[in-house]
Amino acid sequence: RKEVEQDPGPFNVPEGATVAFNCTYSNSASQSFFWYRQDCRKEPKLLMSVYSSGNEDGRFTAQLNRASQYISLLIRDSKLSDSATYLCVVRGGGNKLTFGTGTQLKVEL
Amino acid sequence: DADVTQTPRNRITKTGKRIMLECSQTKGHDRMYWYRQDPGLGLRLIYYSFDVKDINKGEISDGYSVSRQAQAKFSLSLESAIPNQTALYFCATSAGGVNTEAFFGQGTRLTVV
Repeated sequence: RKEVEQDPGPFNVPEGATVAFNCTYSNSASQSFFWYRQDCRKEPKLLMSVYSSGNEDGRFTAQLNRASQYISLLIRDSKLSDSATYLCVVRGGGNKLTFGTGTQLKVEL
Repeated sequence: DADVTQTPRNRITKTGKRIMLECSQTKGHDRMYWYRQDPGLGLRLIYYSFDVKDINKGEISDGYSVSRQAQAKFSLSLESAIPNQTALYFCATSAGGVNTEAFFGQGTRLTVV
């Protein structure tokens, strides 16, 4: 089993739609959680951290369920500019960051 | 100027050649990492370093070596490049602490022919 698993997609959605991505992780001792965004052939950049109580940043909402070991990202009112690959990232033992393979989102007119 | 700079940005090399990828950062972070990215496999950790005297293997270190020349510099070497090392390589840095963000360089696209 991979340490961090994501549905690779692609998710093709119309502009204005709401889309949700899930991610599961295998190490119950994982300490912190993040969503990164990666545009084609570019470096990953932090989208948002994920806190136990859930957190929101504009159109983006992240949730963490430690009991079930999954993380979610909800994007409301999708924009064309949201088209990218979304990487679920977990920091575990040794302070290492482990990346999921990413979920590709395509927002269409 | 980018906070994390990788050189070269693109490189084509022949099988068996030695190649070094360099990374420098101006963030003042102690922690530096090398990842490779392959289609369908995501980013995988090659080596990481928490300070100048600390070097650790990641999940796919075979065929690679690293050198932490200074707090700001962390280089990755392929002693004898092979075609399956063709990939996109990223250097990253972070501060200490569990909730700190990692900052990535722009990547080096390496092709081994």
